[in-house]
Amino acid sequence: DAGVTQSPTHLIKTRGQHVTLRCSPISGHKSVSWYQQVLGQGPQFIFQYYEKEERGRGNFPDRFSARQFPNYSSELNVNALLLGDSALYLCASSGVDRDNTEAFFGQGTRLTVV
Amino acid sequence: DAKTTQPTSMDCAEGRAANLPCNHSTISGNEYVYWYRQIHSQGPQYIIHGLKNNETNEMASLIITEDRKSSTLILPHATLRDTAVYYCIVLYGSYQLTFGKGTKLSVIP
Repeated sequence: DAGVTQSPTHLIKTRGQHVTLRCSPISGHKSVSWYQQVLGQGPQFIFQYYEKEERGRGNFPDRFSARQFPNYSSELNVNALLLGDSALYLCASSGVDRDNTEAFFGQGTRLTVV
Repeated sequence: DAKTTQPTSMDCAEGRAANLPCNHSTISGNEYVYWYRQIHSQGPQYIIHGLKNNETNEMASLIITEDRKSSTLILPHATLRDTAVYYCIVLYGSYQLTFGKGTKLSVIP
């Protein structure tokens, strides 16, 4: 089975632009989470979606939004990009069992804002 | 979720066991201990998790103290490919992983 796939792998944007990042979870997984990892830090939680509903949101501004589609894939949107949004954006998928929250991560999208 | 404390960095000779400690003194009774690692520029990788009992899988062993206030991840025969940042996380009922700074493990030839 394919793992978590993210696209694109790398992206360069200009300040003020918007960006859409995509994630396909592992087949059968209904939960998708998004994380931001800036250089030298651990990943920071942005959103979690389960069955197309937002279940959690981290401390990020409203410029960040996400959605999950009927096939459980997900998009992360960031508007009005700032230089500080440059980071590795990670998507993770998880199965159904809440007591076994083993998450599987994709390789990430490296976003550079110039 | 409970906070964890890990050493910033550790070295381990190739072929020897790597023992990575984690303190989680405020862990709640229903919170699990999870370990992930992140090899440079890749997404984090799940290693192992446990609640009370020691656990072992093909990658590692997890030893949790009886009072559950600390744990140790053991890589029995470290290889160069095990060089990574290792994160200890405690949580229950949430897919929201809270990553700290982790331990940078360097496996030395």
